[in-house]
Amino acid sequence: GAGVSQSPSNKVTEKGKDVELRCDPISGHTALYWYRQRLGQGLEFLIYFQGNSAPDKSGLPSDRFSAERTGGSVSTLTIQRTQQEDSAVYLCASSLRSLKGKLFFGSGTQLSVL
Amino acid sequence: GEDVEQSLFLSVREGDSSVINCTYTDSSSTYLYWYKQEPGAGLQLLTYIFSNMDMKQDQRLTVLLNKKDKHLSLRIADTQTGDSAIYFCAESMGEKLTFGTGTRLTIIP
Repeated sequence: GAGVSQSPSNKVTEKGKDVELRCDPISGHTALYWYRQRLGQGLEFLIYFQGNSAPDKSGLPSDRFSAERTGGSVSTLTIQRTQQEDSAVYLCASSLRSLKGKLFFGSGTQLSVL
Repeated sequence: GEDVEQSLFLSVREGDSSVINCTYTDSSSTYLYWYKQEPGAGLQLLTYIFSNMDMKQDQRLTVLLNKKDKHLSLRIADTQTGDSAIYFCAESMGEKLTFGTGTRLTIIP
């Protein structure tokens, strides 16, 4: 596609429920990143994919968080048993490995846990 | 630590220059970046500088790098209302970027 697409754009859920957030990167981009942005705070790195493998998942806050990527394209971030502190904007970005650091971001998914 | 630090807020009169500052942590970072986030949108790469440079100019934008002090700044000349946004500096650490907290730039008419 023309840009990085994330869905849904907004998600409201009840505490304890599971949520899935989807990211469609730019076609041909091998690197994919998930970041979290809490209100009034900077971006917090969650996980990085190169192709379908995740060489760096050091930012996942707990075992309730997991992510996968299939076909070197679409990625899904899953949060199980959501807590109120999970409320944030979840941003996905993709890039060509040869253009390290030049990330193209989606508009994010605003997650609200009630 | 891994903190990239920025001031949270900056207010500038329209037409004046804006200077946004950042201190980073990893002296081995190859590139340093400035990203812009407009309301309701994702981040957009604004400019970047290679670590062996001390200055880069791109139209109204000037990036200054002081490697000794690990200090990076972004100067926006002739600030316009369309420059209102949050500006993030970032350093590359391995395969990932570590971002600062962002500086919200407000333009005073």
